Amino acid sequence: SQTIHQWPATLVQPVGSPLSLECTVEGTSNPNLYWYRQAAGRGLQLLFYSVGIGQISSEVPQNLSASRPQDRQFILSSKKLLLSDSGFYLCAWSVQPVWTDTQYFGPGTRLTVL
Amino acid sequence: AQSVTQLDSHVSVSEGTPVLLRCNYSSSYSPSLFWYVQHPNKGLQLLLKYTSAATLVKGINGFEAEFKKSETSFHLTKPSAHMSDAAEYFCVVSLGGGADGLTFGKGTHLIIQP
Repeated sequence: SQTIHQWPATLVQPVGSPLSLECTVEGTSNPNLYWYRQAAGRGLQLLFYSVGIGQISSEVPQNLSASRPQDRQFILSSKKLLLSDSGFYLCAWSVQPVWTDTQYFGPGTRLTVL
Repeated sequence: AQSVTQLDSHVSVSEGTPVLLRCNYSSSYSPSLFWYVQHPNKGLQLLLKYTSAATLVKGINGFEAEFKKSETSFHLTKPSAHMSDAAEYFCVVSLGGGADGLTFGKGTHLIIQP
């Protein structure tokens, strides 16, 4: 069966510090991968998605970036965190690249920027 | 452009009574529709999805939703609420045409009274 992991589960970082969140998927090959952010009191916002190694599409301009160094690894990064980067970050995967497919979400990382 | 509106930010019901979570969408094309549930500090779990097959969709944990094109609605229901149903529920619309076709509602917080 397939599983998706995210770490860390929680993170508290000062403004201006760097960020690296990692997501890995097990039990499947060539998944489509996604990073979402859920800010307090707001809905989910799609940040990045990837259909393959080294292929990253950005949905929202921000000071975040994403990379996919391996088939089942997806990393969310920032060089300098802002207060507005606080939120709950979710990684997800799907089998098909089209958007009618079910997405499976990870447990999430709660980021607090102080 | 498409949009999705969850009509209630909070819904409170007594255990054992029916649940109704409302969702309306706006789309120029035939959409795919999803309901996800998020328990506190957890990732999102798919409850059910509609992708132009049967209009009444049955999901996990006794939930179901009916796609009504004339009303542009996709309301989520359950005949009898259980304490474990307390969570945040998200309605999602997808055009199937890419990341810009995926839109999440802002969520409905379901409270179950004992």
